[in-house]
Amino acid sequence: QVQLQQWGAGLLKPSETLSLTCAVYGGSFSGYYWSWIRQPPGKGLEWIGEINHSGSTNYNPSLKSRVTISVDTSKNQFSLKLSSVTAADTAVYYCARGKRYCSGGSCPRTYYFDYWGQGTLVTVSS
Amino acid sequence: DIQMTQSPSSLSASVGDRVTITCRASQGISNYLAWFQQKPGKAPKSLIYAASSLQSGVPSKFSGSGSGTDFTLTISSLQPEDFATYYCQQYNSYPVTFGQGTRLEIK
Repeated sequence: QVQLQQWGAGLLKPSETLSLTCAVYGGSFSGYYWSWIRQPPGKGLEWIGEINHSGSTNYNPSLKSRVTISVDTSKNQFSLKLSSVTAADTAVYYCARGKRYCSGGSCPRTYYFDYWGQGTLVTVSS
Repeated sequence: DIQMTQSPSSLSASVGDRVTITCRASQGISNYLAWFQQKPGKAPKSLIYAASSLQSGVPSKFSGSGSGTDFTLTISSLQPEDFATYYCQQYNSYPVTFGQGTRLEIK
C-alpha cells in the first residue's frame, strides 16, 4: 500500500521561504511524477509543480519564479520550497503521486493523482 | 491554461438519490479527466481516471462518462458517507487544472 507522509513548518512570516517534505512508503518511487498541490482555506485546488526520480521538473507558470521542487531518491522523498511568501500563500499543501494512464497507444501529457499525503496547513502571518 | 467549470457549484440531495455532476473543459482534453472526492479536513481521494475508469477500491455506485469537453460524474443510491465536495481535474496538458468543486449536501 502506497502512503505519502508530509511535514514542514506551519507558520511563516511574510517574505520567508516555505519548506515542506514528502516521504513515499510502499510501491515504486521511479516511474511516477511527484506533485505538490495547494488549497487555500475554503477554496479549490491549485497544482504547484512536479518532479520525477531523475530530477526532471515541471512547474505551474503562475508560481514558477518562486518554486523549487527537489528529490532525494536515497530516501524516497521529495521537497517543496516556495520563496517570498505572502498571506496569499496561506493554504493546505498536499503532496501527491502522479500516474500516467495510457490507452490505445495514446498517452496524456501529464498525470492524474492517485495517492495523496495528509496535507499540511501553512499560514503566513506577520 | 485549460479552464475547468463544474456545475452545479452546490447540490442538495437525499439518501438514496442518484445525482449527476457536470464538468466542462475550455478546450478538448480527450478523455484525460479525473474525479476526486474530498471530505472536510481530509485530502482528496481519487475516484475515477480516464473519464470513466474506476480507481481500485472505489465502489461501482460511482461512474463517469464523457470525452472532449463535456464530462459527468454520477453517484447512484447516495449514502451518508457520499456527502462531500467533488472535483474534476484535467491532465491533458500543463498546467494541470481543477474544477472549482461541487458541494454535495444532505437535503
